[in-house]
Amino acid sequence: TQLLEQSPQFLSIQEGENLTVYCNSSSVFSSLQWYRQEPGEGPVLLVTVVTGGEVKKLKRLTFQFGDARKDSSLHITAAQPGDTGLYLCAGGPGGYQKVTFGTGTKLQVIP
Amino acid sequence: DTGVSQNPRHKITKRGQNVTFRCDPISEHNRLYWYRQTLGQGPEFLTYFQNEAQLEKSRLLSDRFSAERPKGSFSTLEIQRTEQGDSAMYLCASSLALAGAHNEQFFGPGTRLTVL
Repeated sequence: TQLLEQSPQFLSIQEGENLTVYCNSSSVFSSLQWYRQEPGEGPVLLVTVVTGGEVKKLKRLTFQFGDARKDSSLHITAAQPGDTGLYLCAGGPGGYQKVTFGTGTKLQVIP
Repeated sequence: DTGVSQNPRHKITKRGQNVTFRCDPISEHNRLYWYRQTLGQGPEFLTYFQNEAQLEKSRLLSDRFSAERPKGSFSTLEIQRTEQGDSAMYLCASSLALAGAHNEQFFGPGTRLTVL
């Protein structure tokens, strides 16, 4: 079973600050997804990274896949209150295999 | 909007009662998943289907839980003799699983179960 550990578990920051969330595993993933979940709603897919070393940007969010495809990071620049939520990474070996979800990082951005 | 839908959104029941939840996936998706999530935690895998076949069931899932996807489209999750520990958000997701695909999952809004 592939396991994904996220750090930190909780993060409370002021509006305008930068932050980085990490997703680590001892297993190799063919791809890795990042989701954001708001209270009372299902997770919403933000991005998929596929190639080792790949960097993708989504406005103020920057996602990176590790060279060995075992880890990933999410960096948020100038955080806004709207970024508040639970951030989840999920990865799988690809194809017909199911994905595994990370433990989650709960982010609170204080105005 | 042809996203994943779940019904009901909220369910309050008394301990010992049976409950059933429904999930309608994105129509062209062949794979459907059920997860349970408690506050602030990541989704915990329960079971998944490839078309109508149930391919895996979590060992954490007791015999009180059963899921079906009879025609390979919508799915139901039933919990019999509910216990207070079953209180959680139940999430459904669907994906298009193909060889070489990345198996991105798209989630419904969830069903919040409260067992009194």
